[in-house]
Amino acid sequence: DTAVSQTPKYLVTQMGNDKSIKCEQNLGHDTMYWYKQDSKKFLKIMFSYNNKELIINETVPNRFSPKSPDKAHLNLHINSLELGDSAVYFCASSQTPLSDTQYFGPGTRLTVL
Amino acid sequence: QKEVEQDPGPLSVPEGAIVSLNCTYSNSAFQYFMWYRQYSRKGPELLMYTYSSGNKEDGRFTAQVDKSSKYISLFIRDSQPSDSATYLCAPRGNNRLAFGKGNQVVVIP
Repeated sequence: DTAVSQTPKYLVTQMGNDKSIKCEQNLGHDTMYWYKQDSKKFLKIMFSYNNKELIINETVPNRFSPKSPDKAHLNLHINSLELGDSAVYFCASSQTPLSDTQYFGPGTRLTVL
Repeated sequence: QKEVEQDPGPLSVPEGAIVSLNCTYSNSAFQYFMWYRQYSRKGPELLMYTYSSGNKEDGRFTAQVDKSSKYISLFIRDSQPSDSATYLCAPRGNNRLAFGKGNQVVVIP
């Protein structure tokens, strides 16, 4: 069974469009995250939710809006996509915000043309 | 200065060699130190973690932390082609992980 799943796996879209990425975890974890990995492979945290509450909000343009409808889901909506948004977006989860282990999803490769 | 610095490589070694990977960090708030492994086109997965200065061994892998110099190392003994991946140093503090760029390792059969 997949622990952390993301959809879609690939997303190709035009500049200016709005798109969403969905994430689900079946591990029963309280905490979920969104990371962005750019072309230089640098993995940077964007957001973290614990029990549906936002606990980490790094310096990210407000075009990015996370939503956590329940503990098992964390979605990412991106408005007015820009070329620089092209990256791989990883969802992750952990038991608690202080857990050592984070479990990552397979990633969503976003290409903005 | 970035919070976590790693030389991205790639580092190519013959099968059976010892691989030595290094990472430095700048934030004294980091108290826990993780190494994640990321295969090509996959998500990172936790390889090892350690809390204190010194060595921690797990099979062919040894993690070493020197908090006084903010220096972290990972050693892989008897490297295998299946060890070919990117290794991400990830110290933790203030409720978040800070990832380095990763060291890309290629083990040649």
